[in-house]
Amino acid sequence: AQKITQTQPGMFVQEKEAVTLDCTYDTSDQSYGLFWYKQPSSGEMIFLIYQGSYDEQNATEGRYSLNFQKARKSANLVISASQLGDSAMYFCAMREYTSGATNKLIFGTGTLLAVQP
Amino acid sequence: KAGVTQTPRYLIKTRGQQVTLSCSPISGHRSVSWYQQTPGQGLQFLFEYFSETQRNKGNFPGRFSGRQFSNSRSEMNVSTLELGDSALYLCASSAQPSGGEQETQYFGPGTRLLVL
Repeated sequence: AQKITQTQPGMFVQEKEAVTLDCTYDTSDQSYGLFWYKQPSSGEMIFLIYQGSYDEQNATEGRYSLNFQKARKSANLVISASQLGDSAMYFCAMREYTSGATNKLIFGTGTLLAVQP
Repeated sequence: KAGVTQTPRYLIKTRGQQVTLSCSPISGHRSVSWYQQTPGQGLQFLFEYFSETQRNKGNFPGRFSGRQFSNSRSEMNVSTLELGDSALYLCASSAQPSGGEQETQYFGPGTRLLVL
């Protein structure tokens, strides 16, 4: 069964430093996509970055990059130059494609990131 | 472009009542998904609609239902509310169901439901 594991319930990082949020996944499908979302205290889920299972390059979006290690089934999010506004809950999610076109996402339990001045 | 909107933002109900939540997707998006978020169970998929048809359903009891209208707006209904239904209900929209390419879902601000 597909599963997303985020082992870090909470993390602290100093402003302007880089931080890595861990995500491992379990799937028997060959075709899947991995997403990271940010959820501030307001509740809205904000899309950050996407990595497809066949993408050979690690995805990057501004200060966000995804360290994709397919053999290890890990998709860690790296935030560079942390800002106070990065304090939020971060979710890793997966979508499988081989069972047909769908937008169903499976989410991990999240990591609460606190950026300290 | 306006984002995904959800109404109401906050709702208080009592056990046994029913509730209807509404979601308006981003203009041009035809796929709408619903998720329930609770401290205990995390984020769980409820259902997915595309072109007024339910394409996928999560593992929730029949008290949870939904529909999508011709303008892509979606509603979800929970009947006979239980205390455990207290949650943040999130709606997400995308242009279409993904068949293997990036099809990003954009989420709304959610509806916080409290069942007393």
